[in-house]
Amino acid sequence: QVQLVESGGGVVQPGGSLRLSCAAAGFSFSSYAMHWVRQAPGKGLEWVAVISYHGVNKYYVDSVKGRFTISRDNSDNTLFLQMNSLRPEDTAVYYCAREMNSGYSYGLTDYWGQGTLVTVSS
Amino acid sequence: EIVLTQSPGTLSLSPGERATLSCRASQSVSTRYLAWYQQKPGQAPRLLIYGASSRATGIPDRFSGSGSGTDFTLTISRLEPEDLAVYFCQQQGASPPWTFGQGTKVEIK
Repeated sequence: QVQLVESGGGVVQPGGSLRLSCAAAGFSFSSYAMHWVRQAPGKGLEWVAVISYHGVNKYYVDSVKGRFTISRDNSDNTLFLQMNSLRPEDTAVYYCAREMNSGYSYGLTDYWGQGTLVTVSS
Repeated sequence: EIVLTQSPGTLSLSPGERATLSCRASQSVSTRYLAWYQQKPGQAPRLLIYGASSRATGIPDRFSGSGSGTDFTLTISRLEPEDLAVYFCQQQGASPPWTFGQGTKVEIK
């Protein structure tokens, strides 16, 4: 069955960096676009970034452009999110999620990991 | 960017009752690109409905979606205690960013 397991969260000071990972299993990882979605404590969901199945195309929400970088290693079935210049408002649970249909991404996700908490605080 | 507004903020109903959740978009959304997610306490979101009205794999038929244009509805025909959750609508499409509504919390009396 499809499994997505995030790791790498923790407490970091404002201006610091963190790298999140998402280990995928149970499906052909290299055939699917992958997303990061975050949820601030007690708040709603915010789509953060997507990477195409081959890793060439990447898109971000405006609030993280220039600070976050999404990437993937299809040989290792792993998705990454490099987060630099972190701000307190980046504090959230970060989920990785699979695009529902293989190939091109339209933003519809069917499987989500359990999330990893990132806390940005001095 | 398309803004999705969900109502009501909280819905408190008894088991067996019908729940009607609304999602209104700031501009027209193709029915192909409107989804609903359920998030139970302490869990990740789960896809319920996609394409405005298609149930995702394993979703009971008491959940149904409808609507078009700027107005969409999620209906839970007969509430069960395990339906306690926050429900989010989301719009997708060819161009990101893809946005979510702020959520409707369903409480079971």
